[in-house]
Amino acid sequence: QLQLQESGPGLVKPSETLSLTCTVSGASISSSNSYWGWIRQPPGKGLEWIGSIYYSGSTYYNPSLKSRVTISLDTPKNQFSLKLSSVTAADTAVYSCARHWIFGVVNNWFDPWGQGTLVTVSS
Amino acid sequence: QSVLTQPPSVSAAPGQKVTISCSGSNSNIGYNSVSWYRQFPGTAPKLLIYDNNKRPSGISDRFSGSKSGTSATLGINGLQTGDEAEYYCGTWDSSLSVVVFGGGTKLTVL
Repeated sequence: QLQLQESGPGLVKPSETLSLTCTVSGASISSSNSYWGWIRQPPGKGLEWIGSIYYSGSTYYNPSLKSRVTISLDTPKNQFSLKLSSVTAADTAVYSCARHWIFGVVNNWFDPWGQGTLVTVSS
Repeated sequence: QSVLTQPPSVSAAPGQKVTISCSGSNSNIGYNSVSWYRQFPGTAPKLLIYDNNKRPSGISDRFSGSKSGTSATLGINGLQTGDEAEYYCGTWDSSLSVVVFGGGTKLTVL
């Protein structure tokens, strides 16, 4: 059974870099044609896609965050990570990782999701 | 302001059917497939529907999805109090090159 688990600091200071790791069990992140994504949800608000990474390492980012986001793979550890630089209070959110299923150009969905981790940006 | 528009809330009695709408445009729902997620407070979203109308293994057939033009609909039959949750639609926006979600709909089972 595929499971994902986020880990990382729950508190980050403004202007610093948020770093999170998603540990995957039950499947290999290097499986052919697999994508892995990050989504966030500010408290009381809706979902925002941050970006996704292909098993080969190709990345796809939300244009609104692209200048600050880096997603990478750690294949030996079966993990993928998120780095978000120059954070502000507006980046306070629950961050979730998920397997991102993409077929062709028109079809995509997220399943399953990790439980999510709250990251607060505050001094 | 979300790219996809959902009603903030819907309600219905136990046993009844409810529908949740998701309205978009030609660059998102009009061209791409829609997925639906359910989220209980304090938990991560769970996939209910993908590819407009397909249910993942383990999802009750009380849940159904449809799409017409630039709108999609999630239907829930035989409402149960346990269905009270937030529901989100999602798709790809080909103009913005981004995954987009609706603002969410809170379902109350009266």
